[in-house]
Amino acid sequence: GQQVMQIPQYQHVQEGEDFTTYCNSSTTLSNIQWYKQRPGGHPVFLIQLVKSGEVKKQKRLTFQFGEAKKNSSLHITATQTTDVGTYFCAVPNAGNNRKLIWGLGTSLAVNP
Amino acid sequence: NAGVTQTPKFQVLKTGQSMTLQCAQDMNHEYMSWYRQDPGMGLRLIHYSVGAGITDQGEVPNGYNVSRSTTEDFPLRLLSAAPSQTSVYFCASTPGQFYEQYFGPGTRLTVT
Repeated sequence: GQQVMQIPQYQHVQEGEDFTTYCNSSTTLSNIQWYKQRPGGHPVFLIQLVKSGEVKKQKRLTFQFGEAKKNSSLHITATQTTDVGTYFCAVPNAGNNRKLIWGLGTSLAVNP
Repeated sequence: NAGVTQTPKFQVLKTGQSMTLQCAQDMNHEYMSWYRQDPGMGLRLIHYSVGAGITDQGEVPNGYNVSRSTTEDFPLRLLSAAPSQTSVYFCASTPGQFYEQYFGPGTRLTVT
């Protein structure tokens, strides 16, 4: 069946270092969404990517959608302690795009 | 706008008890979903609804029932609680299938 792999599972960085998480799909995607969940909180939408090769920026966050629309990345420049949390990608279920399939997330810890 | 609200925030049940987790949204969203989140498992879809009177199963529907009598409310019923249902439950709503999901604060359920 359809799989969404997110790597790495965990990342521990010093404040000021960069961070990247990757989301890889076994199928071609129509779109991909990224969410952030703070510890003890709920997922909060960050962005949706739709076009092949798309790059979007939100301040220190850069999101990319692969040319083949099978992978995506989220890059944070110069991490801050406020970036701590788990980052999830979510993609439409290929068999029923009313459902989302979620990656297992990348947990980011930032040492001040 | 309250967004998506969930009650209760915390609940402890004994095995075999039943209960209803409440979810309401005031954004007039057609789509609503229930997820459970377990450590290392990401978010898994339990049930979803694309409008009042329409519900469908997600990945892990066994042991749960839903109904959608109004656009605003989407309760989740645990029929006979089991320890395997210990989890954090999130309700989410969205205007449509390719839009961002808005999550409630979650219900932390423990079944002993």
